[in-house]
Amino acid sequence: KAGVTQTPRYLIKTRGQQVTLSCSPISGHRSVSWYQQTPGQGLQFLFEYFSETQRNKGNFPGRFSGRQFSNSRSEMNVSTLELGDSALYLCASSVQTGSGANVLTFGAGSRLTVL
Amino acid sequence: AQSVAQPEDQVNVAEGNPLTVKCTYSVSGNPYLFWYVQYPNRGLQFLLKYITGDNLVKGSYGFEAEFNKSQTSFHLKKPSALVSDSALYFCAVRPLMEYGNKLVFGAGTILRVKS
Repeated sequence: KAGVTQTPRYLIKTRGQQVTLSCSPISGHRSVSWYQQTPGQGLQFLFEYFSETQRNKGNFPGRFSGRQFSNSRSEMNVSTLELGDSALYLCASSVQTGSGANVLTFGAGSRLTVL
Repeated sequence: AQSVAQPEDQVNVAEGNPLTVKCTYSVSGNPYLFWYVQYPNRGLQFLLKYITGDNLVKGSYGFEAEFNKSQTSFHLKKPSALVSDSALYFCAVRPLMEYGNKLVFGAGTILRVKS
């Protein structure tokens, strides 16, 4: 079956612009999580959506937002881009959320460069 | 605060030799523990996880990990390294008291296997 698909794979923006990244989870997966990966900060949790509701949120400013649609596809948006937002943004899907040790399946990521 | 430490930025090993990638954690209670691997320009791939029970966990591609509660460690091991094992390895923790799929990742360890 198809894996987690993230689009676009690469993009370049300038400071002050906004960006929207898309994630299509594995069919049947209802949980979608987003992570930011940078050389300095490593992998950091942004937020998780399950059944169109945000279930958990990391320690990022309000410029970072997301949503999930009824088909479980998710988008994240970053407004007023800053140089420090340059990163690889990874989406991960899982069958469920909750208290279990759920395995995450990651997409290849969207690499954002802010100039 | 919840944290994961991977004390070695890089581990070098000769092909055919055993390898160990170290991980220690600091969380309240007993966490769920994971190892993921990242190849260049790819997302993370799940290797194995520890929930409870046997302290030795076996995972994908011949990898295993040993959970040590007293030392709060979860070291990744493989009896015989392959050149194709060269990649970036992440240890991650999800505390039991948390809800959802939020993981706290270590900084990552580059594994280089030389022929």
